[in-house]
Amino acid sequence: IAGITQAPTSQILAAGRRMTLRCTQDMRHNAMYWYRQDLGLGLRLIHYSNTAGTTGKGEVPDGYSVSRANTDDFPLTLASAVPSQTSVYFCASSVTGGRYGANVLTFGAGSRLTVL
Amino acid sequence: AQKITQTQPGMFVQEKEAVTLDCTYDTSDPSYGLFWYKQPSSGEMIFLIYQGSYDQQNATEGRYSLNFQKARKSANLVISASQLGDSAMYFCAMRGDGANSKLTFGKGITLSVRP
Repeated sequence: IAGITQAPTSQILAAGRRMTLRCTQDMRHNAMYWYRQDLGLGLRLIHYSNTAGTTGKGEVPDGYSVSRANTDDFPLTLASAVPSQTSVYFCASSVTGGRYGANVLTFGAGSRLTVL
Repeated sequence: AQKITQTQPGMFVQEKEAVTLDCTYDTSDPSYGLFWYKQPSSGEMIFLIYQGSYDQQNATEGRYSLNFQKARKSANLVISASQLGDSAMYFCAMRGDGANSKLTFGKGITLSVRP
């Protein structure tokens, strides 16, 4: 593993089903993030974690949950998927503490999710 | 609250020419960072350049430079000597200096480089 690994790469899911998107990083970054990307809307933050054991809500958290049991893993769960959750999901990580918000985010390759 | 505005429609540039991609922002944070990311058609997000709000010089990274005008709250990306591989979506983003500040993205600009 080099950087961030997301799985699955792509998934088609029936509405109402539960789905977990996996994210693993090997850079020992303390902060991790989940974004969704939708055409015309850019990337919007769903949930984040500044350090293992803590999580927080981003701009669009409804319908999603996360956990951060250790430094490396940050799974995103859709408890009961709906068609509006059709999107491309990006996991990202960074160190924290840089001046002027200088911590660069490293992104995974993305997971394309289609909810029918 | 932070806001990033990218209002240009799809941009076109001739190969080897320079192009400027516009970005304006709004924030109440006294110090912050501004970022540009590139997303080619393959989908990955690639970090290009960073500018700190108190940096005295405009940031440069190879063919990329950031035209930072703090009073105007603008952080335009300038790509010199465009290449075909520069065709992509470009996102401007910002983050405040606080420990809990998160990276906020604009909606992106599509750049197409013509041979």
